[in-house]
Amino acid sequence: NAGVTQTPKFQVLKTGQSMTLQCAQDMNHEYMSWYRQDPGMGLRLIHYSVGAGITDQGEVPNGYNVSRSTTEDFPLRLLSAAPSQTSVYFCASGLAYEQYFGPGTRLTVT
Amino acid sequence: AQTVTQSQPEMSVQEAETVTLSCTYDTSENNYYLFWYKQPPSRQMILVIRQEAYKQQNATENRFSVNFQKAAKSFSLKISDSQLGDTAMYFCAFKHSGAGSYQLTFGKGTKLSVIP
Repeated sequence: NAGVTQTPKFQVLKTGQSMTLQCAQDMNHEYMSWYRQDPGMGLRLIHYSVGAGITDQGEVPNGYNVSRSTTEDFPLRLLSAAPSQTSVYFCASGLAYEQYFGPGTRLTVT
Repeated sequence: AQTVTQSQPEMSVQEAETVTLSCTYDTSENNYYLFWYKQPPSRQMILVIRQEAYKQQNATENRFSVNFQKAAKSFSLKISDSQLGDTAMYFCAFKHSGAGSYQLTFGKGTKLSVIP
């Protein structure tokens, strides 16, 4: 039982490049989400999904796209990376009373 | 929108002593969950303790306990017998308890250092 997995752990991008952060969970949770963590800001919600085919925006969605084609996977896409997207990204899945976080991806955009 | 405030950016405590981390929140809801998460240097987010707003009894998990004051919208975390492994960032978080509500709202965190 791997829980929530994220790949890659680290990534460096140049401004304007695109990439996808992968997230997978093996707990059959309907709810999955993406947060970003910046120094002094706590975690802020980017996008979330309450089931396959259903996604919605969180607090800071600009510059990011998501889709949910299966219960297990919830990738986060950066279409044109900007330095402001330098951050640590966490994927989470869970239930109404508890959420499980992946190990995070540290992304640097130069 | 809900807000969560942690007024102590950094704290330190001697090993084996007790420390209390503060958290206040703002909501018009009556039913919700409150959480404390620990983030050690490994970066992993670990759930420390959870409190359901309708429960008057304060939650306890081993050396960790909370003081939940619903009327004051306060949710502090007490760590007893502090250990070096408690050194971490601690985040307070809020979540509605309504059906289909899963989003967490986090405070900005408190960096706790346990001194040998």
